[in-house]
Formats: sequence, C-alpha cells, structure tokens
Amino acid sequence: EVQLVESGGGLVQPGGSLRLSCAASGFSFSDYTMNWVRQAPGKGLEWVSYISSRSNTIYYADSVKGRFTISRDNAKKSLYLQMDSLRAEDTAVYYCARVTYDILTGYGYWGQGTLVTVSS
Amino acid sequence: DIQLTQSPTFLSASVGDRVTITCRASQGITNYLAWYQQKPGKAPNLLIYTASTLQTGVPSRFSGSGSGTEFTLTISSLQPEDFATYYCQQLKTYPYTFGQGTNLEIK
Repeated sequence: EVQLVESGGGLVQPGGSLRLSCAASGFSFSDYTMNWVRQAPGKGLEWVSYISSRSNTIYYADSVKGRFTISRDNAKKSLYLQMDSLRAEDTAVYYCARVTYDILTGYGYWGQGTLVTVSS
Repeated sequence: DIQLTQSPTFLSASVGDRVTITCRASQGITNYLAWYQQKPGKAPNLLIYTASTLQTGVPSRFSGSGSGTEFTLTISSLQPEDFATYYCQQLKTYPYTFGQGTNLEIK
C-alpha cells in the first residue's frame, strides 16, 4: 500500500525557516516524480513545487521561488521542502503528492498533510 | 501561466440529481486535466485524469469529458458521500495550476 507521511510543520515567526519531510513507503520511490501542494485555511489548492525522479528537473510556483527548495533522497525514500523567509501568506496545510503513473495522470496519492503556521 | 476557471463556484443539489461542473482553461491544454474531490479535513482524492480516464476505485457515476479549453465533470446520480469540494488541475505545463474549486452542497 502506498503511504506518504508528512512531518515538520509547526508555528514559525515571519522570516523564519522550516523543513518539511515526506516519508514514502509501499512503492519504488525512485521511480516517481513528486510534488508539494498547499492549502491555506479555508482556501483552495495551490501547487507549490515539482521534482523529477532523479532530481534533474525542478519547478516552483512563482509565490515561493527563491525562498523554498525541494529535494529528495531516494535512498531514504524521502521528499523534503526547505522553506526560508517565511511569510504570513505561507500559512497552509502542506501535502506531498505522488503522480499516479506519470505527470500527465495527476496526483493519485497524497499524504495527510502537515500544518505550517507563520505568525508572530 | 494557465488559468483554470471553474463554474459554478457553489452548487446546491439533491441526492439522485445529475450535476455537471465546468472547468475552462485560459489556453489549450489538450486533455491534460485531472479532477479531484476533497472533503473537509482530508487530502484531495483523484477522480479522473487525462480528462476522461476514471481513476481505479472511483465509482462509475463520475465521468469526465472535454479537450482543449473546456472540460466537464459529471456525477450521474448524486450520493450522500459525493457532497464535497471539487477541483480541476491542468498538467500540460508548470505551474500545474488548480481551479478555484466548486463546493457541492446538499439542497
């Protein structure tokens, strides 16, 4: 069974940093592209970042470019999101999501999400 | 960036109704569109990808159609568990934008 478990969320002050992790199990992690998607309280879904299976292609939403860094460790079956220079508008539940088969087939697997709150 | 506009934003319907949600893209995305269902406090659940392919395990009352810039999600006969928020997402090019969502409520 495919499982994705996020961790690392919490309360952080504006300008601070946080590192999210997503532990994967139940599939060959190194074969799949991964993504981070976030959802601000009461709002819709926002795609944040994409990383290819071997980390050779990475994309970011404009809203986080230059502040967030996605990475993965295929040996540890883990996905990461380093978040720096955090702003109040980054407050959201952050989900890691795996493509169903490839990028064109959507995100068939999601974690339960981890809440990041940016506030003084 | 490709913008996705869903309509309606809110939809009130009854059990047994047939409902249709529309997603319009600001430019052509071939058929690279997915639909998700999300219930409060839960992660989204993929319903359909490549505009019309039903994800494994999703009931056949859900169907998708369209290509280019206009797409629809249809639920043929609403069940109580279908009341949720629905999102479309384009997968043609990054950023892989989502629509703003359609909140489907019980009438």
